[in-house]
Amino acid sequence: GNSVTQMEGPVTLSEEAFLTINCTYTATGYPSLFWYVQYPGEGLQLLLKATKADDKGSNKGFEATYRKETTSFHLEKGSVQVSDSAVYFCALRPNDYKLSFGAGTTVTVRA
Amino acid sequence: NAGVTQTPKFQVLKTGQSMTLQCAQDMNHNSMYWYRQDPGMGLRLIYYSASEGTTDKGEVPNGYNVSRLNKREFSLRLESAAPSQTSVYFCASRGSGSSYNSPLHFGNGTRLTVT
Repeated sequence: GNSVTQMEGPVTLSEEAFLTINCTYTATGYPSLFWYVQYPGEGLQLLLKATKADDKGSNKGFEATYRKETTSFHLEKGSVQVSDSAVYFCALRPNDYKLSFGAGTTVTVRA
Repeated sequence: NAGVTQTPKFQVLKTGQSMTLQCAQDMNHNSMYWYRQDPGMGLRLIYYSASEGTTDKGEVPNGYNVSRLNKREFSLRLESAAPSQTSVYFCASRGSGSSYNSPLHFGNGTRLTVT
């Protein structure tokens, strides 16, 4: 079946530190991959996506590259801010209507 | 532009009580979804509706029913609440007629506690 595994948190960082959140997936075919972010008290919102191998998604300083050979889609940001404190979810969509989410990684950035 | 609106925001039920969670979207989206979010488990799909008039089970449908009342509204009903249904519930919708890669739009969630 389809599944997503992402690194467990919580992750606590200082401002301007480098952030990496690992995400690997299992899927048949060629799924699309996503990162969603959930700020406190809000619903999830799309952060970035990649639809085919070697695609790089980017937004708000975050990047992730679709690596088919390692079945990974790691999220990175070079210099985090306090406003990046949130829960981050990796997700995949195979060729149907349903999105499969990882367990989420809580990130806290300290000033 | 309200997007996806869920009501209520908070609810406390006793075991065995029933309730309906309401969801409405104003983006003319075809597809709508109900997820539950539990610590360490991410989001799990309860039910979804690919289009008006259709509904299908997701990963964890037991104990729930849904109604796609019209294109805008998709409600989730708990007929006899159990403590295991304590969770945060999210409704989402997705753009109509577009590829599978269009993003989900989420509501702000309903925090349900069953005692």
